[in-house]
Amino acid sequence: EPEVTQTPSHQVTQMGQEVILRCVPISNHLYFYWYRQILGQKVEFLVSFYNNEISEKSEIFDDQFSVERPDGSNFTLKIRSTKLEDSAMYFCASTGQGQYNEQFFGPGTRLTVL
Amino acid sequence: KQEVTQIPAALSVPEGENLVLNCSFTDSAIYNLQWFRQDPGKGLTSLLLIQSSQREQTSGRLNASLDKSSGRSTLYIAASQPGDSATYLCAAKGQSNTGKLIFGQGTTLQVKP
Repeated sequence: EPEVTQTPSHQVTQMGQEVILRCVPISNHLYFYWYRQILGQKVEFLVSFYNNEISEKSEIFDDQFSVERPDGSNFTLKIRSTKLEDSAMYFCASTGQGQYNEQFFGPGTRLTVL
Repeated sequence: KQEVTQIPAALSVPEGENLVLNCSFTDSAIYNLQWFRQDPGKGLTSLLLIQSSQREQTSGRLNASLDKSSGRSTLYIAASQPGDSATYLCAAKGQSNTGKLIFGQGTTLQVKP
């Protein structure tokens, strides 16, 4: 069964460093998302991506964040200069044609900023 | 702005019990509502998706209902098992073109053998 994959599963970085989180969405899906979950808190929407551009972003998604779909399969989230408060689980999700469809989530990348 | 709330935050039941998890949302203009399971430190596994035009969906021992007018959804788990122990999240998809999900804080379920 097709699934969303994410790498790495765990990333440890120093404050101020750049990190890139990688995702491979389900192959025929068209809509892509990043969410994050700070320990003990709700899952929060960060950004949605469709047709090679951002379609919506939350207040959290400031200039330190960027997303890219560099080829036909990968979808990346970059944090330019990490802060302690960026420590969280980051989930990638994708959905097929139409916003009525089910969103499928990857296993997540746990980001720890020291 | 859509707000999603889940009650209770935690629930402990003996094995074999039927149970109901509650989810409420403030804006009834949703496209669908999705229920997820999350094991500790793990990702989100989709359990059920209810479209706005539907009243309920069933998968095995799980049944989810949706009442848009009252802003409520319930997840019914029949004959609970220890393997059902996890956090259950509901998420509403609003009427933005992007299809983002707004999540509740989850209900952590413990089923005791």
